[in-house]
Amino acid sequence: EPEVTQTPSHQVTQMGQEVILRCVPISNHLYFYWYRQILGQKVEFLVSFYNNEISEKSEIFDDQFSVERPDGSNFTLKIRSTKLEDSAMYFCASRYKMNTEAFFGQGTRLTVV
Amino acid sequence: EDQVTQSPEALRLQEGESSSLNCSYTVSGLRGLFWYRQDPGKGPEFLFTLYSAGEEKEKERLKATLTKKESFLHITAPKPEDSATYLCAVQASQTGANNLFFGTGTRLTVIP
Repeated sequence: EPEVTQTPSHQVTQMGQEVILRCVPISNHLYFYWYRQILGQKVEFLVSFYNNEISEKSEIFDDQFSVERPDGSNFTLKIRSTKLEDSAMYFCASRYKMNTEAFFGQGTRLTVV
Repeated sequence: EDQVTQSPEALRLQEGESSSLNCSYTVSGLRGLFWYRQDPGKGPEFLFTLYSAGEEKEKERLKATLTKKESFLHITAPKPEDSATYLCAVQASQTGANNLFFGTGTRLTVIP
């Protein structure tokens, strides 16, 4: 069964460092997303990506964040200068078309120290 | 004001004891309501999509229903392996045309 894969599963980084979280969405999906979940809180939308550009972003997704689809299979989230409050689980998701179910990866746990 | 509210926050059931989880929403322009299951430290796992009031979906011991203001996830004769957090999410023109807006979830524990 096709699935969304994310790497790494856990990343520890020092405050101020750049991190790149990687995702391989399901191959025939067209819409790609990043969400995050701070421990004990709800899953929050960060950004959506379609047709090689950002289609929507939340207030959380400020200038420190960027996304890229560098080739036909990978989808990345970059945080330029990490803060302590960026510590969270980051989930990548993809869907085939709008208004259908999104499939989530297993997440990357980012710990900023 | 929360646009998606799930209740209860936590629920403990004996194995075999049926119950329902609630997801109420106040968004306008609902385009879809989604139920997910989330195990600790894992990503949300898709369960159901509902699009219009009156719609129902079933899968094993789970049944999801939708009205104009809320959705229920009915769990019949649960087993310990049904223990997880159940998340409700909506897609609506009010919350953003292309993303899911999640509730805080109901943490279900099924005791053998």
